[in-house]
Amino acid sequence: ETGVTQTPRHLVMGMTNKKSLKCEQHLGHNAMYWYKQSAKKPLELMFVYSLEERVENNSVPSRFSPECPNSSHLFLHLHTLQPEDSALYLCASSKQGALYGANVLTFGAGSRLTVL
Amino acid sequence: AQTVTQSQPEMSVQEAETVTLSCTYDTSESDYYLFWYKQPPSRQMILVIRQEAYKQQNATENRFSVNFQKAAKSFSLKISDSQLGDAAMYFCAYRRYTGTASKLTFGTGTRLQVTL
Repeated sequence: ETGVTQTPRHLVMGMTNKKSLKCEQHLGHNAMYWYKQSAKKPLELMFVYSLEERVENNSVPSRFSPECPNSSHLFLHLHTLQPEDSALYLCASSKQGALYGANVLTFGAGSRLTVL
Repeated sequence: AQTVTQSQPEMSVQEAETVTLSCTYDTSESDYYLFWYKQPPSRQMILVIRQEAYKQQNATENRFSVNFQKAAKSFSLKISDSQLGDAAMYFCAYRRYTGTASKLTFGTGTRLQVTL
């Protein structure tokens, strides 16, 4: 058990579909992240939530919409995606605070998204 | 902005041998963290080792050790006594010392193959 669970593991969708990716952690962490992993490119940070507030949005197109209803759950809502959005989407979490040193990220196994 | 460069897209090592993966980074800050993450075929990113920039001593975790050269902005990973289970993508990552969340900047990764 990784501690960070992502569903679904694989998703195929058409450009007009609406779908959501889900991330769940029960590690007592208070920050959650969405990263996009494309082949031969560095992981791209998309969104960061700290204490359930969005603290980062790295110029991500509006067809990606994050939601963090509580500190244990994070969603990425997908709408009208493009084929170039096909990638592995990784969720991560961390415990933020001065007492926690490097605040190491714990990752999930990712959701492989294919947009047709 | 910080950047992380991994100049070796692929590396190969024989079982029981030693291999070194290279990483350089660019930053104007004096305090920061550096990490090596491993991503096996299961896709989950796993922390291998971390280094605080203010520590002169190189970090070590069992068969994994780093050569941290702060002035040269170099952070290489040495894997000793390589095992088949070490085969994976390895990512070098940088994180600022302060901030509201653990936002990592990643390199493009090095694929390590372990042969018999």
